Amino acid sequence: QMQLVQSGPEVRKPGTSVKISCKASGFTFTSSSIQWVRQARGQRLEWIGRIVVGSGKTNFAQKFQERVTITRDMSTTTAFMELSSLRSEDTAVYYCAAEILASGYGDWGHGTLVTVSS
Amino acid sequence: QSVLTQPPSASGTPGQRVTISCSGSSSNIGSNYVYWSQLAPGTAPKLLIYRNNERPSGVPDRFSGSKSGTSASLAISGLRSEDEADYYCATWDDRLSGSVFGGGTKLTVL
Repeated sequence: QMQLVQSGPEVRKPGTSVKISCKASGFTFTSSSIQWVRQARGQRLEWIGRIVVGSGKTNFAQKFQERVTITRDMSTTTAFMELSSLRSEDTAVYYCAAEILASGYGDWGHGTLVTVSS
Repeated sequence: QSVLTQPPSASGTPGQRVTISCSGSSSNIGSNYVYWSQLAPGTAPKLLIYRNNERPSGVPDRFSGSKSGTSASLAISGLRSEDEADYYCATWDDRLSGSVFGGGTKLTVL
């Protein structure tokens, strides 16, 4: 059974960085892509970027291009999303979502609350 | 402003059938698969439909997806109170080289 377990809530000051993890299990990690999406309170879902796990190729939304890094660790089947130069508007729940490339089947992580406050 | 357009709200009474639309363009829905997810308060998002009309195991067959041209739809039949949630469509956009989401539709079960 596909499962994505994300790291716990984070509190950061403006200008700092945060790195969130997404531990995958129950599927072939190397044959998947991992997307990162966020939702601020009361707002719509917002796509941040993705990594194709096998190739390591990444794509990012233009809005985050300069501030986001998405990586993966094959040995631990974990994906990471690091967002830098944090500002209060980055306060949101961050989700990872996996997609099995061959079938399109996927699942979401449970979300990680990131609070940016001075 | 979202690349994909969804109605902000929808409603129905228990047992009814409701449809939520998702409108895009040739660079996104017109040439890629559409996915639908459900977000209910206090719960993790749930994938309802993948690749236009495929349903993950465990998702009731009351939920169905379709796509035609540059638009897609999610239909929920036999509406139940637990279906009250926000629903989002998503797809890849070839022009943006990234995924795009609809603005979300809040479904109310009256």
